Amino acid sequence: DVKVTQSSRYLVKRTGEKVFLECVQDMDHENMFWYRQDPGLGLRLIYFSYDVKMKEKGDIPEGYSVSREKKERFSLILESASTNQTSMYLCASRTVTEAFFGQGTRLTVV
Amino acid sequence: QKEVEQDPGPLSVPEGAIVSLNCTYSNSAFQYFMWYRQYSRKGPELLMYTYSSGNKEDGRFTAQVDKSSKYISLFIRDSQPSDSATYLCAMRAGGGNKLTFGTGTQLKVEL
Repeated sequence: DVKVTQSSRYLVKRTGEKVFLECVQDMDHENMFWYRQDPGLGLRLIYFSYDVKMKEKGDIPEGYSVSREKKERFSLILESASTNQTSMYLCASRTVTEAFFGQGTRLTVV
Repeated sequence: QKEVEQDPGPLSVPEGAIVSLNCTYSNSAFQYFMWYRQYSRKGPELLMYTYSSGNKEDGRFTAQVDKSSKYISLFIRDSQPSDSATYLCAMRAGGGNKLTFGTGTQLKVEL
């Protein structure tokens, strides 16, 4: 079974903190993605990566950056957390036909 | 206008009912169509995958794609309480990396 593991299920951070969300996949997929999910807005793509050290902006990259130093690991970084970044964050890795999601990280910024 | 439109529901049906979930889209480049199921506090999981127009059946689930109308559907037969979840449609252009999701329809199947 493909496994996508996100490091935390729940996080509470203060405004202005630098926040790291980690994601690891075990199936050697080249493509990895970070989404945020908000009620009424669905899943919105923040960043994706198609290879080690390669990244592309998604639809809502502002306030975020990413890092992919190893194929299996894709990190999302909130440079200076703000309350409007309170959300569910979902990591995914993908084959040609299927995206596999992690369990999600519920981030609250206070 | 959003690229993908999906009625958020909630949709409540009795056990055993046939459920119809739908999405419309505006981007004619979309060629790959998916339905994901998401249980509360979990990540989405792939339910059905279809390429281009046509029907695909898997057990109690049938996915339909009508590219001429830019309309996709998911039918659930003999619905069960365990089908209660949010159903997300997703689409991708040929050769593209990016999946575009609908907002999801919340379904509740009641005993």
